[in-house]
Amino acid sequence: GQNIDQPTEMTATEGAIVQINCTYQTSGFNGLFWYQQHAGEAPTFLSYNVLDGLEEKGRFSSFLSRSKGYSYLLLKELQMKDSASYLCARSGYALNFGKGTSLLVTP
Amino acid sequence: EAQVTQNPRYLITVTGKKLTVTCSQNMNHEYMSWYRQDPGLGLRQIYYSMNVEVTDKGDVPEGYKVSRKEKRNFPLILESPSPNQTSLYFCATEKTGTGATGELFFGEGSRLTVL
Repeated sequence: GQNIDQPTEMTATEGAIVQINCTYQTSGFNGLFWYQQHAGEAPTFLSYNVLDGLEEKGRFSSFLSRSKGYSYLLLKELQMKDSASYLCARSGYALNFGKGTSLLVTP
Repeated sequence: EAQVTQNPRYLITVTGKKLTVTCSQNMNHEYMSWYRQDPGLGLRQIYYSMNVEVTDKGDVPEGYKVSRKEKRNFPLILESPSPNQTSLYFCATEKTGTGATGELFFGEGSRLTVL
């Protein structure tokens, strides 16, 4: 719903930096969430962006451009435990999730 | 400890046998919702409830019912389950009003298989 697009899969090396992109429909947009979901577990909240710009929270940062309908999640100093699915969710008239990006961190 | 608790966590059942998945929260949140998660489709909202006695359809409500008789509980009812309802189900709550962040708090999930 709401044309939320994110890559299906990504692979990165331990210690590296990875950027997961998300594009969405801009009409009726309020804000953009990122959730992390490990296999077989519930999603857990990472970030919520309402205003343009970059918000940093430890190794994870999230960026938003409202005019472009674009967000990304930046993960630095990757660790093996970061292997998970990352869900982009658009808040507007309703909350709609993207299909998730499965990130594999390799040694 | 703040919790959203779902039961059962795992269930295998047969077509047509009514079942209920319970969801209980101790966070005093007014908003509760149900999602299903399927490979390649992501999380899709089934039903949500803004408050007691107030429920509304999400994106995929067909074949499901809910009730919200009290704030802490929001059961999901499958009156006549079918194999296409085989899925991973999540209950979620959200703080609304003053101090709201929009963050969803999810239960641990209920994996349902309908044969």
